[in-house]
Amino acid sequence: LAKTTQPISMDSYEGQEVNITCSHNNIATNDYITWYQQFPSQGPRFIIQGYKTKVTNEVASLFIPADRKSSTLSLPRVSLSDTAVYYCLVGEPLNAGNNRKLIWGLGTSLAVNP
Amino acid sequence: DTAVSQTPKYLVTQMGNDKSIKCEQNLGHDTMYWYKQDSKKFLKIMFSYNNKELIINETVPNRFSPKSPDKAHLNLHINSLELGDSAVYFCASSLLPGGGEKLFFGSGTQLSVL
Repeated sequence: LAKTTQPISMDSYEGQEVNITCSHNNIATNDYITWYQQFPSQGPRFIIQGYKTKVTNEVASLFIPADRKSSTLSLPRVSLSDTAVYYCLVGEPLNAGNNRKLIWGLGTSLAVNP
Repeated sequence: DTAVSQTPKYLVTQMGNDKSIKCEQNLGHDTMYWYKQDSKKFLKIMFSYNNKELIINETVPNRFSPKSPDKAHLNLHINSLELGDSAVYFCASSLLPGGGEKLFFGSGTQLSVL
């Protein structure tokens, strides 16, 4: 099973850069790494996805080392509104073809303080 | 326009009752999902449909029955509700099935069984 491990919680202050690391030792060759953000009383929201090296979008950066056994989500200059739970996921192959189910961990609860 | 909408947002009911939650997506996606998030915030997939065909059916009591009348709708009917069914249920969709696909979630239905 492609299980992920993340810190349960993190604290930060406004304006700081936050890095959340996820380990996924059993990631499969064709799996992508995807991060979601969830605010209270809302559904998770896609943040970023990558396969290897580095990916950057308007919200975050994702760093993936060559062995792909871990990944780091980097949030530049966080604000209070970035307080949320962040989930790291890798796909798990199901039978054959493209039918895969994602295994969700408990995520990392990030608290951004003033 | 809300991409993935589910109704109702809140559902309070007595043990033993039967209830339904409806979900609709206007993204033109082929794949839809039902997830359950318990009080510990653990998010677990229940069902997945691709083009109206069931492709993922996790170990869920058969009191839970999904129905997909067309690609844009996936409803969840629950018979004989139990206390342990209390949770937040999220509907989601993706363009195609696959662990690497970007998921779009609804805002959730908070089910409370008394």
